[in-house]
Amino acid sequence: GAGVSQSPSNKVTEKGKDVELRCDPISGHTALYWYRQSLGQGLEFLIYFQGNSAPDKSGLPSDRFSAERTGGSVSTLTIQRTQQEDSAVYLCASSPAPPGETQYFGPGTRLLVL
Amino acid sequence: SQQGEEDPQALSIQEGENATMNCSYKTSINNLQWYRQNSGRGLVHLILIRSNEREKHSGRLRVTLDTSKKSSSLLITASRAADTASYFCATATTSGTYKYIFGTGTRLKVLA
Repeated sequence: GAGVSQSPSNKVTEKGKDVELRCDPISGHTALYWYRQSLGQGLEFLIYFQGNSAPDKSGLPSDRFSAERTGGSVSTLTIQRTQQEDSAVYLCASSPAPPGETQYFGPGTRLLVL
Repeated sequence: SQQGEEDPQALSIQEGENATMNCSYKTSINNLQWYRQNSGRGLVHLILIRSNEREKHSGRLRVTLDTSKKSSSLLITASRAADTASYFCATATTSGTYKYIFGTGTRLKVLA
């Protein structure tokens, strides 16, 4: 079946603009994760959705970052008033029940803030 | 150091040699996973080892887990140029939430 997809693949924006990044998880996967990876670095956890439970937002770096997951499927990560330090690859992953199992990653969105 | 810290940060070997990379973590875990990343984009799952397991094999991969030392190792035998990538360990904690903590990664280069 289809894997995790993300759009856009690349996004260039100007400082101060808002951006929306989209993630389509694998159908039936209840868990969805967002990560951020700066150049040459490891993955930084941002937010985690599990079914209908309240998301774990403990990794969001500031209140400019928010995410939602509609209908338990598609997720959108929104960054408001982007800053240059927001430039990174944003990776989405989904995982089937039970939680804590293998994650399946999308190809990522490369964000560049000028 | 961070949870899930890999060692070494970079490794360069000749094709056919074995590559070993290590991961250390801090808190109690449910399982530990290894992932590979090519060209800085999506990660691919390699192997999962549970906290009650000590060793696991998958093809040319061998993973060990020592929960007393809070460490894991990934061995790639008979390496190939195609194994060139970054390798990350990820720990799934037992703290009630199932977020994963990824290490900083080992950049492996296999020379043909």
